[in-house]
Amino acid sequence: NAGVTQTPKFRVLKTGQSMTLLCAQDMNHEYMYWYRQDPGMGLRLIHYSVGEGTTAKGEVPDGYNVSRLKKQNFLLGLESAAPSQTSVYFCASRKSWGQSNSPLHFGNGTRLTVT
Amino acid sequence: GEDVEQSLFLSVREGDSSVINCTYTDSSSTYLYWYKQEPGAGLQLLTYIFSNMDMKQDQRLTVLLNKKDKHLSLRIADTQTGDSAIYFCAETLNTGGFKTIFGAGTRLFVKA
Repeated sequence: NAGVTQTPKFRVLKTGQSMTLLCAQDMNHEYMYWYRQDPGMGLRLIHYSVGEGTTAKGEVPDGYNVSRLKKQNFLLGLESAAPSQTSVYFCASRKSWGQSNSPLHFGNGTRLTVT
Repeated sequence: GEDVEQSLFLSVREGDSSVINCTYTDSSSTYLYWYKQEPGAGLQLLTYIFSNMDMKQDQRLTVLLNKKDKHLSLRIADTQTGDSAIYFCAETLNTGGFKTIFGAGTRLFVKA
């Protein structure tokens, strides 16, 4: 039982390049989230998904797209990377509606640098 | 909008108690959480409190909730060097998606 797995762990991109961050969870969780963490700003929600085939915008969605084609996977895409997207990205998942006490389970993060 | 605020740094001596404070804005939150982040890792749940409780104790951890003032605190008794980490206060909103809003995190330094 691996929990939440993120790949890659590190990546360096040039401005304008694209990439996809992968998140996989093996806990059969319904809800999945992408956060970015920047110094002094805590975690900010980028996009989230309440189930397979559904996605929604979070607090800072601009410049990112997501897909949830399979329940266990939640992909975060950057179509044209910008230096402002340099950050540490965390994927998280939790159990479904009706269990709001269920905590978030986090991956170990992807450190992305855009030059 | 929703907001969670906490101080950024706290320094204590080993063996002392640490108290990390947090304020939040959404009064409809059902659960409030404390997460811990160690270097290079994701966040892990430390403890949580249900909104109809005033206090929760879990070994060295004590969580106090003042719902009237929307104030949450985490007390770590007998703080150890291994407690050095970033501690995040968070509330989960009772809206679609159960979005969790995090504070900026309090970096706890424990001096030997």
